[in-house]
Amino acid sequence: EAGVAQSPRYKIIEKRQSVAFWCNPISGHATLYWYQQILGQGPKLLIQFQNNGVVDDSQLPKDRFSAERLKGVDSTLKIQPAKLEDSAVYLCASSPTSGVDTQYFGPGTRLTVL
Amino acid sequence: QKEVEQNSGPLSVPEGAIASLNCTYSDRVSQSFFWYRQYSGKSPELIMSIYSNGDKEDGRFTAQLNKASQYVSLLIRDSQPSDSATYLCAVHNAGNMLTFGGGTRLMVKP
Repeated sequence: EAGVAQSPRYKIIEKRQSVAFWCNPISGHATLYWYQQILGQGPKLLIQFQNNGVVDDSQLPKDRFSAERLKGVDSTLKIQPAKLEDSAVYLCASSPTSGVDTQYFGPGTRLTVL
Repeated sequence: QKEVEQNSGPLSVPEGAIASLNCTYSDRVSQSFFWYRQYSGKSPELIMSIYSNGDKEDGRFTAQLNKASQYVSLLIRDSQPSDSATYLCAVHNAGNMLTFGGGTRLMVKP
């Protein structure tokens, strides 16, 4: 079974630029999560999708971050414009349902904002 | 804001010793608790889950939960250098959200 796929693995941009990350969850997993992990901290949930609907986006900075999951499969997370404090690893995870299922994490995208 | 607190460490133990990792949480209605291991530069991987008070053992790992004290711990017996990693405590609350602690860095010295 293929795991959660993410791309790109690394991205370096300058502040005020835009960036997008892509995630393909494990086949058949209904729930998809985007986390932000700043160096030395635990992952922080940004947004949770159940199929193609948003379950929780209370911690998503909506003035600059947006996410979508069209057709309930792949997802993209966008930052526009980026700030220095957005430098982090962006982790995508998926689980079969939105309950207490194990979340399986992708390899992450390391973003550096200069 | 529902919080999950961990000592950041590093916790240093000699090879073969027992490593004890601790976690406290603030949301009393939390029902599910998880320990993830994260190697440097890698993504978190689940090693243990626990849902009821008491101990749960899986190989060299034992998770302990005390809901009255809002306390979760992870014991690693016969610690190996390959156990050196950051251990993340995560709590699944009634709001259907998984909240992670900041992690404890464990170093197992040969």
